[in-house]
Amino acid sequence: NAGVTQTPKFQVLKTGQSMTLQCAQDMNHNSMYWYRQDPGMGLRLIYYSASEGTTDKGEVPNGYNVSRLNKREFSLRLESAAPSQTSVYFCASSEAAGTYEQYFGPGTRLTVT
Amino acid sequence: GDSVTQMEGPVTLSEEAFLTINCTYTATGYPSLFWYVQYPGEGLQLLLKATKADDKGSNKGFEATYRKETTSFHLEKGSVQVSDSAVYFCALLSGGYQKVTFGTGTKLQVIP
Repeated sequence: NAGVTQTPKFQVLKTGQSMTLQCAQDMNHNSMYWYRQDPGMGLRLIYYSASEGTTDKGEVPNGYNVSRLNKREFSLRLESAAPSQTSVYFCASSEAAGTYEQYFGPGTRLTVT
Repeated sequence: GDSVTQMEGPVTLSEEAFLTINCTYTATGYPSLFWYVQYPGEGLQLLLKATKADDKGSNKGFEATYRKETTSFHLEKGSVQVSDSAVYFCALLSGGYQKVTFGTGTKLQVIP
């Protein structure tokens, strides 16, 4: 089992460019999440998908869109990148019921210049 | 809303020292509480959890007790090792929701 995988690991964008961060899990989990991690602010939830076919906004959704492509995959899109979106992005997944542990991917370090 | 407050770091300890990282929370109802650990360059991993008052979570020599009366979930380890150097996050899950609220993280550095 690979667990949660994310691509790319690193990315540099210019202001205004767009990109999609990919996430996939092979644990048959129902729920998936996107977080950003910034110094001194811990992890903040951007969007989540409680189950296939549903997505909801988290704490900091502005400037992002998501797609739950199927049960395995959950992508995060930046339509017009801004320097404020420089961060480390983590994808996570969990079973929908019974357990609450979230499994995290290794992260994507994004720099917007 | 829900919130988690944990002590600011970095915390620097010598090997074999006793570790305490404080964590307090604010939440409605009866949340589940977690400690996650993040090693350099990696994602977060669940270290331990407690789902009801007075439960003690433990793993790899780390322990934390869910104290409802003081709304706390302090992380402790009797003898730290260099390999414990990482960032530790306290977190809670409130009610039946799948969204977890994280603290800001405490960096621990253990020196030989």
